[in-house]
This record gives sequence, structure tokens and C-alpha cells, in this order.
Amino acid sequence: DAKTTQPTSMDCAEGRAANLPCNHSTISGNEYVYWYRQIHSQGPQYIIHGLKNNETNEMASLIITEDRKSSTLILPHATLRDTAVYYCIGDGSSNTGKLIFGQGTTLQVKP
Amino acid sequence: KAGVTQTPRYLIKTRGQQVTLSCSPISGHRSVSWYQQTPGQGLQFLFEYFSETQRNKGNFPGRFSGRQFSNSRSEMNVSTLELGDSALYLCASSLRGGIDEQFFGPGTRLTVL
Repeated sequence: DAKTTQPTSMDCAEGRAANLPCNHSTISGNEYVYWYRQIHSQGPQYIIHGLKNNETNEMASLIITEDRKSSTLILPHATLRDTAVYYCIGDGSSNTGKLIFGQGTTLQVKP
Repeated sequence: KAGVTQTPRYLIKTRGQQVTLSCSPISGHRSVSWYQQTPGQGLQFLFEYFSETQRNKGNFPGRFSGRQFSNSRSEMNVSTLELGDSALYLCASSLRGGIDEQFFGPGTRLTVL
């Protein structure tokens, strides 16, 4: 499983884009990058995942560098409800439901 | 459709006791994973079950065990409770495990006195 490094905390103004970086320099070719978030006192929530190409869904966009050593999660229009801990996960256990969570980034969206 | 449910939501036990936590996955999901969350260690993987078989196990002592039933419901058991076992225990279900999105339940808050 790839080791991931994220900033401890970030602030974002409401309505602006939130860009959350993640370094995963040890990621191997078949490991996906996953993003989950955990809003206080709730279970984690899946956001998005990708392998090589950039991905977009209704929640966010995931930009993965060409060398796959880092990625950025983009919340295009952050709201107060996006305040949460965001986890970037490099998953090598492609055949089992095992996620290795790091410390994550605490995103504070401010009015 | 109904999400992942966990029972009980809160539990208080004393040292030396044992506890069983239950998780009902989303209908049709066959993979159930368990995680422990503490302020000091964060979210840590305990084990994963698929079709009643444990496929993966985290680095926890043998006091932590689990099982999965034919309807995919899962239980985890902790024997001889220690103070350090106080934590939020989360289960997550997915269709097959692997790269599938995992859906987490609200967790069971266990307090060991």
C-alpha cells in the first residue's frame, strides 16, 4: 500500500474551489488513489477514485499527475457542509476491502 | 435503499468483559470491512469478510475476531476488553471489496471502564 502525505489542515472560503493535495510517491502502477471524507461524528464517505486519468463526479474532481506521484482533489464550490477530514488513500489491496487511512487533511470552509 | 446499519450505537463495558458488535451491509453487498477509530491511532483496518470468508486482517491481537453470515451480515467480537479498546468501531460494505466504493455505517461507540 502506498504511503500518502497530506497537509494537516487547510482553510477555504465558502463558494470558492477547495484544492486538497496528496503526495503518494511510492504508489505502484496498479494502485488506485481513493479519496474519502469524514464529517464529524459520522462514518467516512467515499468521494472519488482514479488510477491514471483525471476523474470527475458529482462531488469532486481528481487530478492525478502524469508520474502518479501526487494528486489533487478539487471541490469546485465549497460549502460549509464540506467541512470535514479528507483522506487520500493509495490502495494496493485490489482484491480485498482494505483501506489504509492516514491522518488526512482537516478542511475548514469559512463563510 | 437502506444504508449500512450498526448495532448497538453506544456501548459501555468494563475491563475483562467481552463484546459483540453487529453490522448489516447494504442489500446485495458481499464484502464487509471493520475499522477501529481512536484519537491517537486514527482509522485502522481490522479485517474484511467476503462470502463468509476472512480475506484480509489488520494488525490487531487475537482478542479481535469476526465472522460473516450467509446473508452477509457481520459481527465482530472483542474478548477480555482493555481500556485501550475504547473506540469508534466502523463497518463498511461494498459489492465485492477491491476497488469498489465502500459505504460506511455510523459506527458503534465502545467505552471500556
